[in-house]
Amino acid sequence: EAQVTQNPRYLITVTGKKLTVTCSQNMNHEYMSWYRQDPGLGLRQIYYSMNVEVTDKGDVPEGYKVSRKEKRNFPLILESPSPNQTSLYFCASSLWDSYNEQFFGPGTRLTVL
Amino acid sequence: ELKVEQNPLFLSMQEGKNYTIYCNYSTTSDRLYWYRQDPGKSLESLFVLLSNGAVKQEGRLMASLDTKARLSTLHITAAVHDLSATYFCAVGRESNYQLIWGAGTKLIIKP
Repeated sequence: EAQVTQNPRYLITVTGKKLTVTCSQNMNHEYMSWYRQDPGLGLRQIYYSMNVEVTDKGDVPEGYKVSRKEKRNFPLILESPSPNQTSLYFCASSLWDSYNEQFFGPGTRLTVL
Repeated sequence: ELKVEQNPLFLSMQEGKNYTIYCNYSTTSDRLYWYRQDPGKSLESLFVLLSNGAVKQEGRLMASLDTKARLSTLHITAAVHDLSATYFCAVGRESNYQLIWGAGTKLIIKP
């Protein structure tokens, strides 16, 4: 089944404790992206990647890191999480660039205390 | 700076009625998307609109794009309860691969 998977789905952590949210897709998509969703703000793009080893900042990259060492994986790293990073996070992927529809993962609900 | 505005943000309507959701954007773009999100769920792609005058239809939903007016509409015909969801439009920046999203329209359709 073609899908985007994220882990974990739910995470409660404390300020400053490094964490990684994994994202993997099995559709051989070149383009992958991370978003955060907050009430009333829609989705805001954190980082995106056009292909292996090619990443770029979205609108809200501060406090986040990403890497794209393999085509199928695009982990999101929070080196020192803070309470303002409490949010619902989505990973998405699409063919070669964002002209194509994006397929979204199930979401990761993160709470930083 | 590209900004995307959806109207209305909340809509409650009766089954069988027609209504339109609007998506305005502030600078030129070459692509616009509509997505649906059910409560507690992920996002599902509805339409991709890539050219001026593009019109796409799926069941009771029809989306159109007017790039000169920088406006897209999502029209709901004879609404049914199953269409209750939050609908988002997203607009692509011409200069790069970013998407800018509207705040979403929460649609509640009452039987």
